[in-house]
Amino acid sequence: NAGVTQTPKFQVLKTGQSMTLQCAQDMNHNSMYWYRQDPGMGLRLIYYSASEGTTDKGEVPNGYNVSRLNKREFSLRLESAAPSQTSVYFCASSGHRGHIEDTEAFFGQGTRLTVV
Amino acid sequence: GEDVEQSLFLSVREGDSSVINCTYTDSSSTYLYWYKQEPGAGLQLLTYIFSNMDMKQDQRLTVLLNKKDKHLSLRIADTQTGDSAIYFCAESINNDMRFGAGTRLTVKP
Repeated sequence: NAGVTQTPKFQVLKTGQSMTLQCAQDMNHNSMYWYRQDPGMGLRLIYYSASEGTTDKGEVPNGYNVSRLNKREFSLRLESAAPSQTSVYFCASSGHRGHIEDTEAFFGQGTRLTVV
Repeated sequence: GEDVEQSLFLSVREGDSSVINCTYTDSSSTYLYWYKQEPGAGLQLLTYIFSNMDMKQDQRLTVLLNKKDKHLSLRIADTQTGDSAIYFCAESINNDMRFGAGTRLTVKP
């Protein structure tokens, strides 16, 4: 089972360049998330999508845009990368609320992004 | 994750018990979770506890919840070198999961 697949695994960008991080899940989950992980700060939510066609800002949305292309795919775009966006990015998905089995979040392997 | 706090490092000897502590701030959290992150990998759910429970035991893992103090702990009995990882405490609030900064557990042989 693939679960949550993120691409690319590594990326180096120059300041001002743009790129899109791709994420896909095959578990028929409604909710999908993008987090960034920085040393000593844990995971911070950038954007989430509670269902196909909806997106909402999380804790640190500035400098990012997202697209919920369909139920499976949720992409994160950096229009003009900045060194402060150097981080490890994780995509996650989860099912309906109400049952513990569905509230578990499944994570991708992460994308290590360096902006120079 | 400023609403969920945990210490950053813990070092134990193989065979000892490990206790990782966490404090959270939102009393309306329904579920509280412990996730494990091994090097170079994403997070995986380790265990969880429903907010109306005080304790949950699952093999070598014991989760204690003190709702009055908003304190959650994870005890790993007979810690093994394979338990070396970063452990994240998390709470669920509406459609958001809030994570702590993670505690890096190092197990020395």
